[in-house]
Amino acid sequence: GEDVEQSLFLSVREGDSSVINCTYTDSSSTYLYWYKQEPGAGLQLLTYIFSNMDMKQDQRLTVLLNKKDKHLSLRIADTQTGDSAIYFCAERGPAAGNKLTFGGGTRVLVKP
Amino acid sequence: GAGVSQTPSNKVTEKGKYVELRCDPISGHTALYWYRQSLGQGPEFLIYFQGTGAADDSGLPNDRFFAVRPEGSVSTLKIQRTERGDSAVYLCASSLYGQANTEAFFGQGTRLTVV
Repeated sequence: GEDVEQSLFLSVREGDSSVINCTYTDSSSTYLYWYKQEPGAGLQLLTYIFSNMDMKQDQRLTVLLNKKDKHLSLRIADTQTGDSAIYFCAERGPAAGNKLTFGGGTRVLVKP
Repeated sequence: GAGVSQTPSNKVTEKGKYVELRCDPISGHTALYWYRQSLGQGPEFLIYFQGTGAADDSGLPNDRFFAVRPEGSVSTLKIQRTERGDSAVYLCASSLYGQANTEAFFGQGTRLTVV
């Protein structure tokens, strides 16, 4: 079945760039997503990338996709304290219907 | 309301009891999803509705879990004979259509604790 893996924790200084990594196993994934979860709040979609793209930029966010290695990353430029949260990578493949398969989440702590 | 609403926000129940969790999706959204998030883990898919019908219920862990969406709007997740392992945050999401490039909006979840 599908599997999505992320590192557990990332600590970064305010103003630096953060890079969160994700690997997945389903080579037929069509869309890959990054969600943000803050305490007491629902999951918020940050960005997504279609599998025929290798990069997508949206303001401070850059998504890189290496389809050959099944590796996805999210770079946050000029990280702010408000970026402290748990970030989830998720994938959707054609065989999976409309469900998302999530990774375990990376907790990002931004230090002033 | 503007977003996906889930009630109750917290539910404590005794082992063996029956519980119902409610989800009010964004008005007009035809697709509705239920996920379960255990402590320290990512959400796991339970069931997906397109309109009134369950298009994919492959994530329901066993026959104690059941969900309905009789009028294609509000959905109820029902858990019979609850077990301590059912303790988790149950998340509901809705999207305009059930297509991969349409955003799914998540509610804040119902935290279920089985004691």
